[in-house]
Amino acid sequence: KNQVEQSPQSLIILEGKNCTLQCNYTVSPFSNLRWYKQDTGRGPVSLTIMTFSENTKSNGRYTATLDADTKQSSLHITASQLSDSASYICVAFSGSARQLTFGSGTQLTVLP
Amino acid sequence: GAGVSQSPSNKVTEKGKDVELRCDPISGHTALYWYRQSLGQGLEFLIYFQGNSAPDKSGLPSDRFSAERTGGSVSTLTIQRTQQEDSAVYLCASSLTPGGETQYFGPGTRLLVL
Repeated sequence: KNQVEQSPQSLIILEGKNCTLQCNYTVSPFSNLRWYKQDTGRGPVSLTIMTFSENTKSNGRYTATLDADTKQSSLHITASQLSDSASYICVAFSGSARQLTFGSGTQLTVLP
Repeated sequence: GAGVSQSPSNKVTEKGKDVELRCDPISGHTALYWYRQSLGQGLEFLIYFQGNSAPDKSGLPSDRFSAERTGGSVSTLTIQRTQQEDSAVYLCASSLTPGGETQYFGPGTRLLVL
């Protein structure tokens, strides 16, 4: 069964600090790995998409890494801002619309 | 439009009533998805439309759930004889092409069944 596990479930950090969110996936076949940001009361917004051949991809202060051998991904947020407070969702894609497996997300809170 | 829109944004209904949720995808996007998000849970796939192909309904949890997409654009998700366990956020997403493309999500419809 395809699964995506995220950790931690929740995280509280001070503004300006860095943090790293983890994602482990068990998906076969594997096509790509996505990170989404979901603000409270809004739909998810795509941050990055990485295929198995990509090790790292950045989007501003967000940097995602992917290790296809260990089936692990991380999302690193640099110099956090209050607006980074959101749920961050890891999604593994197997190649068909049916086979998008969503993690339950990491709830990040950035405090002033 | 500029993005995916959904209506209503919130819906409160009584158990046993039927509800209709609407999704307007981004113009030109051929793929449209419906998901359900329960509190503290990951998104659950419901149904997928791609162009004029038959929809993938494999995620619909029961025969009380149905969806249609008219003219390859607007989609309606219908839940008949609602139950309390249907309470969730229903999210719609669209993408330019199926598969590996980025999905663009709407804000969701928050459904509460009393």
